[in-house]
Amino acid sequence: GESVGLHLPTLSVQEGDNSIINCAYSNSASDYFIWYKQESGKGPQFIIDIRSNMDKRQGQRVTVLLNKTVKHLSLQIAATQPGDSAVYFCAENPNQAGTALIFGKGTTLSVSS
Amino acid sequence: DSGVTQTPKHLITATGQRVTLRCSPRSGDLSVYWYQQSLDQGLQFLIQYYNGEERAKGNILERFSAQQFPDLHSELNLSSLELGDSALYFCASSALLEDSPLHFGNGTRLTVT
Repeated sequence: GESVGLHLPTLSVQEGDNSIINCAYSNSASDYFIWYKQESGKGPQFIIDIRSNMDKRQGQRVTVLLNKTVKHLSLQIAATQPGDSAVYFCAENPNQAGTALIFGKGTTLSVSS
Repeated sequence: DSGVTQTPKHLITATGQRVTLRCSPRSGDLSVYWYQQSLDQGLQFLIQYYNGEERAKGNILERFSAQQFPDLHSELNLSSLELGDSALYFCASSALLEDSPLHFGNGTRLTVT
């Protein structure tokens, strides 16, 4: 598999590899986190979410890990497929009145076959 | 398909003009959010409505305004348009106020010439 330690704007992997996309969030009070996938010409699509009382959550081929100590979130995609090629965003709920989800900078995942 | 409908898909207008973007949320969702996505700024939160009332305000310019109607659809009004307002405008909806994923429409691409 291929991973990145810090946020990088692009990630290129081979089909079948595991991908890891990282995200650093800003607010230690944030209590809810979401990963979105955005394909060209479409809106962000919900992938998986996690609450701050958890450190790991699994979905179909995807796993989200939350490290509150260092304010870090990661998305792992198993057996990456060409259809996974998209821009991936993490989002945090800062848990403050008058605010809404804050989106991080996206990572463009390119999967080659 | 997220269930969130945005119209129009594309809008081309001149500087100084005014436009209205429309959003129909998913059936049953009471919260509507507007986000702006430009190449260099990522997804920026503009404003949120919940059951007709303004709930949260982000980086929304005074030239922009929004409202949510009794049938829960929402409109975003952009006036005195400038070249820099060219962007994708996304509407999202959610069922609950907090700890609930936002579901996005496919956006309106606004081009100001």
